[in-house]
Amino acid sequence: LAKTTQPISMDSYEGQEVNITCSHNNIATNDYITWYQQFPSQGPRFIIQGYKTKVTNEVASLFIPADRKSSTLSLPRVSLSDTAVYYCLVQGNTPLVFGKGTRLSVIA
Amino acid sequence: NAGVTQTPKFQVLKTGQSMTLQCAQDMNHNSMYWYRQDPGMGLRLIYYSASEGTTDKGEVPNGYNVSRLNKREFSLRLESAAPSQTSVYFCASSEAPLGDTQYFGPGTRLTVL
Repeated sequence: LAKTTQPISMDSYEGQEVNITCSHNNIATNDYITWYQQFPSQGPRFIIQGYKTKVTNEVASLFIPADRKSSTLSLPRVSLSDTAVYYCLVQGNTPLVFGKGTRLSVIA
Repeated sequence: NAGVTQTPKFQVLKTGQSMTLQCAQDMNHNSMYWYRQDPGMGLRLIYYSASEGTTDKGEVPNGYNVSRLNKREFSLRLESAAPSQTSVYFCASSEAPLGDTQYFGPGTRLTVL
């Protein structure tokens, strides 16, 4: 199973851009990179998914270099409500493996 | 459209008691999953059902059984609860197995005394 490594925690002030980097050195050719967000006392929620280069939606952007061994989730102008745990996962034809994620704390 | 629903929301059991956690989805998804999340940890897959009529073990299946009752419903049973099974249990569903986006329920917080 492809494993990922990401920072345990990050702090940011409101209004700043936050970039969370994830490494996935043994990603397979058919795997996608997927990010989920989890608020306290809730189940995870899909944020964004990509295969290569850049993907953007209304919530975030995902940057994936050509070698695909890492990826960066970018959250523009975070607010207090973005305080959550963010999970980076490699998604293919095997069960998802959730690590401990990155706990993002947004400070006013 | 309620998405994924779970019952109960909270449950306290004594060691050795049994119970069934219920999960239902109204998105016509083929695949369903059960995870557990211990404090400060990520989610770990207990069992999944890629399609109606099939079930497979995940990372931590010991002490649990599952039933895919129909396309909508996937239940998780603890036959003889142990304190080590104290956790938050999440059910999820996806249109296609494993590689597709998963939609999670609100969770069941279980305490085993």
